[in-house]
Amino acid sequence: QQQVKQSPQSLIVQKGGISIINCAYENTAFDYFPWYQQFPGKGPALLIAIRPDVSEKKEGRFTISFNKSAKQFSLHIMDSQPGDSATYFCAASSEYYGGSQGNLIFGKGTKLSVKP
Amino acid sequence: DAGVIQSPRHEVTEMGQEVTLRCKPISGHNSLFWYRQTMMRGLELLIYFNNNVPIDDSGMPEDRFSAKMPNASFSTLKIQPSEPRDSAVYFCASRTGVNEQFFGPGTRLTVL
Repeated sequence: QQQVKQSPQSLIVQKGGISIINCAYENTAFDYFPWYQQFPGKGPALLIAIRPDVSEKKEGRFTISFNKSAKQFSLHIMDSQPGDSATYFCAASSEYYGGSQGNLIFGKGTKLSVKP
Repeated sequence: DAGVIQSPRHEVTEMGQEVTLRCKPISGHNSLFWYRQTMMRGLELLIYFNNNVPIDDSGMPEDRFSAKMPNASFSTLKIQPSEPRDSAVYFCASRTGVNEQFFGPGTRLTVL
């Protein structure tokens, strides 16, 4: 019940295209869904996050779509650029309960390559 | 801000040796996390401290792993004895309250 399943494992997109990464979760207590971006040799960094009271959140070219009934959420990168090439991790936690349940459960990651 | 600081950045050791990884969290952050990242298993939470107290160490793989947080500005992760399967990138992260976790640059450990 604690798993977060992420797909695809890798993604190749042409510059200017749309990158879409999907995640599914099982624990209905999860109430915080961040996406982290990791460049080679660096630690993951928060990119964008959503809570289940909204179905979509947009920050610049990055959008999270959230489907509570399907227990799925996705990251859309519009007008993908070579500089977006990185590994993306979805995650989920139960912030409401705090403590150990507030810890992030990460997906396995998606390696995105944007070709010029 | 300096961010989360980890040392060393790279460590190469031989099987059976003791390895100590160090982390300095962001000042004012009251929670600290140790993660391990491998291709096969992704990002795994090893242990979590809140106000310097270990709260959840269920992710620590076995007794060879231990972690301490003697004060709010320092934590160590020790592996004794180390084994080749411990080779991975180890990340430390910190946060305040239930907000964003900030990750350090990681320590790449290679056990020969």
